[in-house]
Amino acid sequence: AQTVTQSQPEMSVQEAETVTLSCTYDTSENNYYLFWYKQPPSRQMILVIRQEAYKQQNATENRFSVNFQKAAKSFSLKISDSQLGDTAMYFCAFMKHGASSNDYKLSFGAGTTVTVRA
Amino acid sequence: DTGVSQDPRHKITKRGQNVTFRCDPISEHNRLYWYRQTLGQGPEFLTYFQNEAQLEKSRLLSDRFSAERPKGSFSTLEIQRTEQGDSAMYLCASISKSEAFFGQGTRLTVV
Repeated sequence: AQTVTQSQPEMSVQEAETVTLSCTYDTSENNYYLFWYKQPPSRQMILVIRQEAYKQQNATENRFSVNFQKAAKSFSLKISDSQLGDTAMYFCAFMKHGASSNDYKLSFGAGTTVTVRA
Repeated sequence: DTGVSQDPRHKITKRGQNVTFRCDPISEHNRLYWYRQTLGQGPEFLTYFQNEAQLEKSRLLSDRFSAERPKGSFSTLEIQRTEQGDSAMYLCASISKSEAFFGQGTRLTVV
């Protein structure tokens, strides 16, 4: 089974500053996807960014970027130029990628609550 | 709008009653997952369908829980004889090969 660990329960950042959220995972798989999801107080889970394990290049989506270290099984999220709307709970997630029908199950970390201060 | 809809959005029920939730996934996605999320925690996997076949059930899913996905379209999650510990947000996800789309969830409160 895959485990995903987020060691920071809460993070606070000043508006326009940068914050980095950490995530580590444990797997014996070689092919997988990693995700960061955002869950605002309205509680709907929204995909922020996705990384395919076979790609060495770190994924970037506007102000969101990741630092993917496959050997270290680390997948951190950097939010640049933080905005008030970034306030939410952020979840790191793992999905195995393969031919088996039991693949593609999404395993989540416990989450990090990010508060952006005005 | 992610395309996954769940109904109802909120449900308050008395302990011991049965409840049923519905999820309508994105039509072209054949994989559908149910998760449970308690306040301040990450979603926990409950069960998984590929088309109409239920392929995996978590040990979290006691005998009081049952899920169906007739004809591989919408899915229902039923909880019988609800307990206060069942109070949580129940999330449905419609999954393509590399991305999960979540519904807004059904918040269950057992009183």
